[in-house]
Amino acid sequence: DAGVTQSPTHLIKTRGQHVTLRCSPISGHKSVSWYQQVLGQGPQFIFQYYEKEERGRGNFPDRFSARQFPNYSSELNVNALLLGDSALYLCASSLDKPGLAAETQYFGPGTRLLVL
Amino acid sequence: GQQLNQSPQSMFIQEGEDVSMNCTSSSIFNTWLWYKQDPGEGPVLLIALYKAGELTSNGRLTAQFGITRKDSFLNISASIPSDVGIYFCAGRLAGGTSYGKLTFGQGTILTVHP
Repeated sequence: DAGVTQSPTHLIKTRGQHVTLRCSPISGHKSVSWYQQVLGQGPQFIFQYYEKEERGRGNFPDRFSARQFPNYSSELNVNALLLGDSALYLCASSLDKPGLAAETQYFGPGTRLLVL
Repeated sequence: GQQLNQSPQSMFIQEGEDVSMNCTSSSIFNTWLWYKQDPGEGPVLLIALYKAGELTSNGRLTAQFGITRKDSFLNISASIPSDVGIYFCAGRLAGGTSYGKLTFGQGTILTVHP
């Protein structure tokens, strides 16, 4: 079975531009989460979606937004890019409803974004 | 934001040695997870822990959920070169509206010399 897939794998943008990152969860998984991983640090939670509704939001500015589609795939959008947005953006999917103790998140390979 | 304190930051060991790393927090967690991340890849789940005191093994890996629910450790026995990578602990805070949010430690960089 295919794992979590993300596209594109790499992306270069300039300051002020916007970017759309895409994620397809593991088949049967209804929950998708987005994380930002800056070089040398652990991933930081951005959003979680379950059944197309936002179920959690991390401490990120409103320039970051996301949505989940009827097929449970998801997009992360970032507007007005800053140099500090350069990072690996990870998508994770899980089978269970958010908040269940046994919910386990499986990560994709990530999209590496470089903002110049 | 909330961070887990993971130690050590890095380890350099000889093949065959055992490894131990841990995570601590001032907050209570109801789930602890351990991931391994290779360069250019996403984190891969190694072990998941759901109950205080739980001790779980996965091959040469063993992890425990601390009794206080504020800490966890991961042991790797008889290390091999393919164990090289960055190991992250991650936890889910108890209570509140954090839902499925995972909080990650800073990572432990493991280097294994043949």
